[in-house]
Amino acid sequence: DQQVKQNSPSLSVQEGRISILNCDYTNSMFDYFLWYKKYPAEGPTFLISISSIKDKNEDGRFTVFLNKSAKHLSLHIVPSQPGDSAVYFCAASAYGANSKLTFGKGITLSVRP
Amino acid sequence: AAGVIQSPRHLIKEKRETATLKCYPIPRHDTVYWYQQGPGQDPQFLISFYEKMQSDKGSIPDRFSAQQFSDYHSELNMSSLELGDSALYFCASSRSETGQRLYGYTFGSGTRLTVV
Repeated sequence: DQQVKQNSPSLSVQEGRISILNCDYTNSMFDYFLWYKKYPAEGPTFLISISSIKDKNEDGRFTVFLNKSAKHLSLHIVPSQPGDSAVYFCAASAYGANSKLTFGKGITLSVRP
Repeated sequence: AAGVIQSPRHLIKEKRETATLKCYPIPRHDTVYWYQQGPGQDPQFLISFYEKMQSDKGSIPDRFSAQQFSDYHSELNMSSLELGDSALYFCASSRSETGQRLYGYTFGSGTRLTVV
């Protein structure tokens, strides 16, 4: 049972435009949500996160939105840059779960110059 | 800054052989996690250790075992290897303190295991 779902396997965006990466979850016990970015031959790197008490967190070009009622979050990247091309994983953790992260399958973002 | 170090980066083993993967966490990080990522799959949680004690267990086969040593490095031991064990194995570490959950944990570059 996939508790964190990234239903779109890939996204292609023109440089300078907005990239919107979506993520859905089913476990209502999740209270922290994180986005990781992964380049080939490297481990995932932390990008941005949000706790369930907020509905928006912004860090430079990256903004994460959380809609708890819909169990949906999204990552917005604006403006998109070619260096943003990577695989993006959505992850979530539940209180008391030893901070274990549950990952989605990832989405491959390609930013065209 | 020091990162999570994993060794080896690549490993090729034959079926039924044994493999040992090593992980050296970031200094002062007290929790280590192991994840397995198959081709085109999401990283699957295997096992974690907090202060050298197993803290959580995921979908880790009985053929696998892991431990964390006194210097906090961890080893994942895999026996009777099967073709399906071919995957990327990531180790990650974190420091368990208030607010740390907001920053996730730091991953190593992974060990690519190929079973032939």
